[in-house]
Parts: sequence; C-alpha cells; structure tokens
Amino acid sequence: GDSVTQMEGPVTLSEEAFLTINCTYTATGYPSLFWYVQYPGEGLQLLLKATKADDKGSNKGFEATYRKETTSFHLEKGSVQVSDSAVYFCALKLSGAGSYQLTFGKGTKLSVIP
Amino acid sequence: DADVTQTPRNRITKTGKRIMLECSQTKGHDRMYWYRQDPGLGLRLIYYSFDVKDINKGEISDGYSVSRQAQAKFSLSLESAIPNQTALYFCATSDTLYQETQYFGPGTRLLVL
Repeated sequence: GDSVTQMEGPVTLSEEAFLTINCTYTATGYPSLFWYVQYPGEGLQLLLKATKADDKGSNKGFEATYRKETTSFHLEKGSVQVSDSAVYFCALKLSGAGSYQLTFGKGTKLSVIP
Repeated sequence: DADVTQTPRNRITKTGKRIMLECSQTKGHDRMYWYRQDPGLGLRLIYYSFDVKDINKGEISDGYSVSRQAQAKFSLSLESAIPNQTALYFCATSDTLYQETQYFGPGTRLLVL
C-alpha cells in the first residue's frame, strides 16, 4: 500500500542553522505530496505542496521538490528560527476524482534553540 | 473566528463511558474527516464523509461511530470508551473541487482512564 517514511526526530538545531527533513514515499499511482506543520497545542496546517514531478513547493522560507526518480520530497530551510519549532508531517494523496485519503508519515519534531 | 472548531478541547472519561466529540466548520466544505494522532504513529483516518448522506470507514474505525448532522457538523462517538482510545483527535475538511488541501481543527485531547 501507499506509505510515507520520514526521518525520525527529534531534531534540535541552533537558530540560523540549515534544516533538512527527509521524506520518501511509496505509491501505486502519481501522488500529490504535502508538508504539514503542527505548532504546539494546535492542529495541522498545510505548509507547502507539489502535485507533479519536478514541482517545487515553497512557503515561509521552506522548500521541497517533488523527485519522482528518488520518490522523495525533502523539506529544507536555509535559516531556521525559534518560531519554526514544531512537528512536521510529510503526506501524500493519490490523484484522481475518487481519491480522498491523506497518508501521513509519523512526524518529525523540530526544536530550534536560540 | 476559526474555520474548523472542535469541542471539547480536552476530555477525561472512564472506561465504558460513551463520549461524543464534535466538529463544526464554516468553510462551506462538503468533505469532512476524523483522524486520531498517537505519538510516533502520525495521523490515522477513522471515518470520512463526502456529504451528509455519504459516510465511510477509514483504516481504524472499530470502536467508533460518526454522525453527519449537517454539512457543517460531523461528530465522532466512542460508544464504550477504552484506555487505548486515549489520543489526540482531529477533525478536518476539504472541498470537492479543490480537494488537495485538508484544513484541520485544533484537536481534542482525550484521556480514557
């Protein structure tokens, strides 16, 4: 079945450090890929998405590129801030009118220290 | 005001009790979902509804039931709560036309003693 594997946390970085959170997927079709972020005490929010191969999603300084050849969608940010401390979830959704379900990875907790 | 609201935000109950978690949305979306989140397991889909008359089981529906009272309201019930249902529960919505993005409520933290 479809699945998402992301690097295990927790990840602790100093402010202004470079961030990479790895995400790889297994899917039978051609999925759309997402990164969701969950700040402490809140629900999940969409951070960015990409719907086809080679697309780059970006938001709030975060980027991820849909790599079909390596089935990956790694999240990157050049300079993290304390406010980026959160849990990050990679997810996929198969395309098509009948598709509805998001399949999530287990989440990666990021802590950024001043 | 938040687009997707959940009540209660926190609940402690005892084994065997019936409990209902409620979700309301003002986004006008037709699709609604219930997920549970457990540490280290990510989110798993319990039930989903494409409209008021269309309700479907997700991957972990055993022990749960749902009711879609209106387009804007989707309730999750635990008929007889058990301790392994202790988790964080999220409601989410999406639009049929632009179904790529799901919008999540703030969550309900449930503890079953």
